[in-house]
Amino acid sequence: QVQLQQSGAELVKPGSSVKISCKASGYTFTSYDMHWIKQQPGNGLEWIGWIYPGNGNTKYNQKFNGKATLTADRSSSTAYMQLSSLTSEDSAVYFCARSWELDAWGQGASVTVSS
Amino acid sequence: DAVLTQTPPTLSATIGQSVSISCRSSQSLLDGDGNTYLNWLLQRPGQSPQLLIYSVSNLESGVPHRFSGSGSETDFTLKISGVEAEDLGVYYCMQTTHAPLTFGAGTKLELK
Repeated sequence: QVQLQQSGAELVKPGSSVKISCKASGYTFTSYDMHWIKQQPGNGLEWIGWIYPGNGNTKYNQKFNGKATLTADRSSSTAYMQLSSLTSEDSAVYFCARSWELDAWGQGASVTVSS
Repeated sequence: DAVLTQTPPTLSATIGQSVSISCRSSQSLLDGDGNTYLNWLLQRPGQSPQLLIYSVSNLESGVPHRFSGSGSETDFTLKISGVEAEDLGVYYCMQTTHAPLTFGAGTKLELK
């Protein structure tokens, strides 16, 4: 079955960067887009962008340009999202999800930005 | 951006009751290819969201048939015909017709 296994919780300092992983299994990694979504405590969902692992093409929500960088490693079927210049506004749970239907989700990775 | 407005924000229901959630878009979600890319998700407490319905009315595999979706262009509805305890959580509509992909603010379904 399709599974997306995300990396664990992160506690990071303001101004630093963090890289979250999403390891895919149960399907052909290079055949489906991978999307990333942000959820702040008590808030709804916000789309960050997507990457197509087949060729590395990416597209970002303009709001996250310069904040998020999406990459993918085809050899390990793993997608990554790096968040830079972190502030308290970046404290959230980040999900990866497969395809434009978002038909499979990772369990979420919590990022807490605090000094 | 296409703004999705969900109503009501909170819905109280008894087990077995039928309920509906509305999702209205600020722009038509009818794509140039003739499809309408409006989906419904459920996020149970402490869990990741899961896809229930895609392209307005198509039931995702494994989703019970008490869930149904309808609508067109800017007005969409999710109906649950006979709420069960496992249906409690927050329901989101989302659209992928227009970039960026956007979500509604959510409708929390709770037990009365």
